[in-house]
Amino acid sequence: AQSVTQPDIHITVSEGASLELRCNYSYGATPYLFWYVQSPGQGLQLLLKYFSGDTLVQGIKGFEAEFKRSQSSFNLRKPSVHWSDAAEYFCAVGASGGSYIPTFGRGTSLIVHP
Amino acid sequence: DSGVTQTPKHLITATGQRVTLRCSPRSGDLSVYWYQQSLDQGLQFLIQYYNGEERAKGNILERFSAQQFPDLHSELNLSSLELGDSALYFCASRQTGGNTGELFFGEGSRLTVL
Repeated sequence: AQSVTQPDIHITVSEGASLELRCNYSYGATPYLFWYVQSPGQGLQLLLKYFSGDTLVQGIKGFEAEFKRSQSSFNLRKPSVHWSDAAEYFCAVGASGGSYIPTFGRGTSLIVHP
Repeated sequence: DSGVTQTPKHLITATGQRVTLRCSPRSGDLSVYWYQQSLDQGLQFLIQYYNGEERAKGNILERFSAQQFPDLHSELNLSSLELGDSALYFCASRQTGGNTGELFFGEGSRLTVL
């Protein structure tokens, strides 16, 4: 069965600093990988996704993520954080065959200090 | 705006009661997913429907049931409510066809059981 681990429950950064949110997954084949963002009172919005091809994917709002098969990781990065990036971030994995049920990590809460 | 509509946005009810949450997927999407988000459990998959038929079941209690109607909207019925059922319930839809795996989420229905 697939699973996702987001080791950091909370991350605090200063505005303008760089950001990296960690995500590790468990799945036997090449998975579909996603990062979503959830602002307070909102639903989950897709930031970026990886299916195949280039392992460095670009997303919205200046985010990028890198798929590293050898490390089973899909870390999210942003070079310079803005105060509006404060939110909950979820990594998700979807199996490419059979019943398609994306599994989500527990989330990382990003706090941005001015 | 994801195109997925959920009603009601907020619901307060008492233990033992029954509620119905409604979801309208994006136009043309045949797949509907229901997830429960709580502080201690994260985002948990409940059930999936595809074109009116149940496709997959997750950690859905027997007190909960769902269905998808011919117009593709879906309803999640929660009965004999307990305090622990208080959570944010999300509906998501998935694009039909192609090789895309991302889910499009509604803004959720926040259920409070008193």
